[in-house]
Amino acid sequence: QVQLQESGPGLVKPSETLSLTCTVSGGPITGLFWSWIRQTPGGRLEWIGFIMYSGRTRYNPSLESRVTMSVDTSKNQVFLQLTSVTAADTAFYYCARLAPYGGHPDEWGRGTLVIVAS
Amino acid sequence: DIVLTQSPATLSMSPGERATLSCRASHSVSVSLSWYQQRPGQAPRLLVYEASKRATGIPPRFSGSGSGTDFTLTISSLETEDFAVYYCLQRGSWPATFGGGTTVEIK
Repeated sequence: QVQLQESGPGLVKPSETLSLTCTVSGGPITGLFWSWIRQTPGGRLEWIGFIMYSGRTRYNPSLESRVTMSVDTSKNQVFLQLTSVTAADTAFYYCARLAPYGGHPDEWGRGTLVIVAS
Repeated sequence: DIVLTQSPATLSMSPGERATLSCRASHSVSVSLSWYQQRPGQAPRLLVYEASKRATGIPPRFSGSGSGTDFTLTISSLETEDFAVYYCLQRGSWPATFGGGTTVEIK
């Protein structure tokens, strides 16, 4: 059973860069797509983007200018960077695996809350 | 972006009752629609994908239907653990988008 665990700072200052790590256990990240999805405190869900193990990415156009995703297959980790954050980026950030048979998120991490405040 | 509108926003039900949740898309997404359940303090859990296929380990009381722009999630007989928030997600067009959610609460 694959497990995903997000980690990173819970507090980021406005205008700085948010950096999160997703560590995958119970299976390799190779051959699959991995995504980052966030949820505002009010419950709204937003798909940030996804990355293939090879490094190929696709980002939500609303965030594309500020987002970078990457992978380290040797460590079974997926990374998210979001630059120039504002209070609007305060959210729970989830890492999720995309199902190989349909591309929808089928396995999710527990999420990590990131608050943007000075 | 494709907008998904879920209705009702809140459904007040009793255990044992049948719940019907709706998700309407602003443009056709074919059957590229999935449903998720989220309990308080937990991540969303996949229930149904490709509009009508139940995910592994999901009880048969959950069923999905629809195609194009109109989709339904039905819970045939509500169990206590089913009281939660439900979201639909479309992947028919990028960016993928989520609906605003339906809360199924105990009456």
